[in-house]
Amino acid sequence: EVQLMESGGGLVQPGGSLRLSCAASGFTFSNYAMTWVRQAPGKGFDWVSTISGRGDITNYADSVKGRFTISRDSSNNTLYLQMNSLRAEDTAKYYCAKGPDHYDHGYYDHWGQGTLVTVSS
Amino acid sequence: DIQMTQSPSTLSASVGDRVTITCRANQSIYTWLAWYQQKPGKAPKFLIYKASSLESGVPSRFSGSGSGTEFTLSISSLQPDDFATYYCQQYNDYPWTFGQGTKVEIK
Repeated sequence: EVQLMESGGGLVQPGGSLRLSCAASGFTFSNYAMTWVRQAPGKGFDWVSTISGRGDITNYADSVKGRFTISRDSSNNTLYLQMNSLRAEDTAKYYCAKGPDHYDHGYYDHWGQGTLVTVSS
Repeated sequence: DIQMTQSPSTLSASVGDRVTITCRANQSIYTWLAWYQQKPGKAPKFLIYKASSLESGVPSRFSGSGSGTEFTLSISSLQPDDFATYYCQQYNDYPWTFGQGTKVEIK
């Protein structure tokens, strides 16, 4: 059974940093693209970033480019999102999600429960 | 960015009803469209890809159709477990974008 468990969210001041983690199990992690998607309170979803199965291809939304870094560690089946220079508008629940294979096809067949990031002074 | 617009925003229906949700893109996305279901406090559940391909394990009462700029998600006979919010998502071009959601509530 595919399981994705996010952690690392919390309250951070504007300009601060956080690193989110997503522990994956139930599938061969290195064979699948992984993504982060966020959902602001009461709002819809915004795609944030995706990394290929091998980790050699990354893509970012313009709103986070240069501030966020996606990475993965296949030795411990974990996806990361390093978030720097955080802004109030980054406040959201962050979900990690799994793609259908190593390449980012753009849709995601399993999602975690999410971790809440609140950026506020 | 490609804008995705869903209608209606809220849909009131009864168990057994057939319901249809519409998703429109502001430019052609061919059939590069997915649908997800989300219940309060839960992870989204993947339903459909490539506009009409049902994900394994998803009940056959769910179906998707459309191409270009107009798409629909239909539920042939609404079940109690189907009351949720539904989102469409385009993956024709980065950044992938989602509709604002359609809440299916009990009439």
